[in-house]
Amino acid sequence: NAGVTQTPKFRILKIGQSMTLQCTQDMNHNYMYWYRQDPGMGLKLIYYSVGAGITDKGEVPNGYNVSRSTTEDFPLRLELAAPSQTSVYFCASSATRGGGELFFGEGSRLTVL
Amino acid sequence: DQQVKQNSPSLSVQEGRISILNCDYTNSMFDYFLWYKKYPAEGPTFLISISSIKDKNEDGRFTVFLNKSAKHLSLHIVPSQPGDSAVYFCAASEGGTGANNLFFGTGTRLTVIP
Repeated sequence: NAGVTQTPKFRILKIGQSMTLQCTQDMNHNYMYWYRQDPGMGLKLIYYSVGAGITDKGEVPNGYNVSRSTTEDFPLRLELAAPSQTSVYFCASSATRGGGELFFGEGSRLTVL
Repeated sequence: DQQVKQNSPSLSVQEGRISILNCDYTNSMFDYFLWYKKYPAEGPTFLISISSIKDKNEDGRFTVFLNKSAKHLSLHIVPSQPGDSAVYFCAASEGGTGANNLFFGTGTRLTVIP
């Protein structure tokens, strides 16, 4: 049972480039989330989804976009990468709303130079 | 603005002794609290939670205490084991498990010395 799978694990981008972080879960969870963790800080919610076709902004959505076409997949897109987006990104899913137990992926470390 | 704070970045404890990790919060509307554990190169994993209607929740070696008047919670690990060495994150939500967002602290790195 793979749980939550994120790809890539590491990526270096140049300023202005775009990329998509992939996230897939095989637990049939309706709720999925993207968090970012900056050095010395707690995780902050970027976007979340309560089911296929439904997404909403979290605390720090600027510079990102998401889509949820299937229950399994929740990709995060960076359109114009900026140094401020250098961070570790975690995708998570849950069977209930996100105020409780979340299942996290291993994280994707993104550096924007 | 950090609504959930973990003021100790690190903690070292001898194997077999008690580890106490602390967490403070500022939002009085938080009503559900969780602890997550994170090993290097892995995502956080859920450890234990507590609702604001309780002041203690125990699960094996792990106990979480909640002091609502002080807006403070703590995680006790007894006895501590080397495998407990990890970063521990405190998290809180408003609206219980029905909330959409967890607010995380900055983490405390626990090292259990054999």
